[in-house]
Amino acid sequence: DQQVKQNSPSLSVQEGRISILNCDYTNSMFDYFLWYKKYPAEGPTFLISISSIKDKNEDGRFTVFLNKSAKHLSLHIVPSQPGDSAVYFCAALFGNEKLTFGTGTRLTIIP
Amino acid sequence: NAGVTQTPKFQVLKTGQSMTLQCAQDMNHNSMYWYRQDPGMGLRLIYYSASEGTTDKGEVPNGYNVSRLNKREFSLRLESAAPSQTSVYFCASSETRSYGYTFGSGTRLTVV
Repeated sequence: DQQVKQNSPSLSVQEGRISILNCDYTNSMFDYFLWYKKYPAEGPTFLISISSIKDKNEDGRFTVFLNKSAKHLSLHIVPSQPGDSAVYFCAALFGNEKLTFGTGTRLTIIP
Repeated sequence: NAGVTQTPKFQVLKTGQSMTLQCAQDMNHNSMYWYRQDPGMGLRLIYYSASEGTTDKGEVPNGYNVSRLNKREFSLRLESAAPSQTSVYFCASSETRSYGYTFGSGTRLTVV
């Protein structure tokens, strides 16, 4: 039972354009959401997070949007840069439970 | 550098062999975790330790054992390796939910 889903295994975007990565979840108890970025041969690194009491959180080029009624969150990267090419995982938790991860989306930025 | 250190980085085992993956963190975090990453499956939790002296099963614990040796160290043991345990293993630690987990660089394990 995949509680956190990333339905796009891969995404290609031209440099300078907006990258939009999507994530859906099924467990309405989740109250905190995070995005991680992973380069090959490295561990995932924390990128940005959002609490369920908010619908938007911004950090530089990265913005996360949360739509609780649709159980959907998205990560926007503007403008996209070659160094953004990586695998992106969304993750969710409730209370002090463990993080549940999605399956990941491989983002490729085309120069 | 501060963070989570995993050893070894690579390992090849024969079916039936045993080994222990080591993990240490120097951030004074209470909670530590072991995940495995497989193609198309994302990151799945094997075991976790909410504090020193406690361990609990995650989503895919079968075939594994863990030891929280002290606050810094959390090891993962494969008693009798199987080809299905071929994967990349990540250790992580955390203190507060706001910043999620800090991950190590991973151990790539192949069981032949």
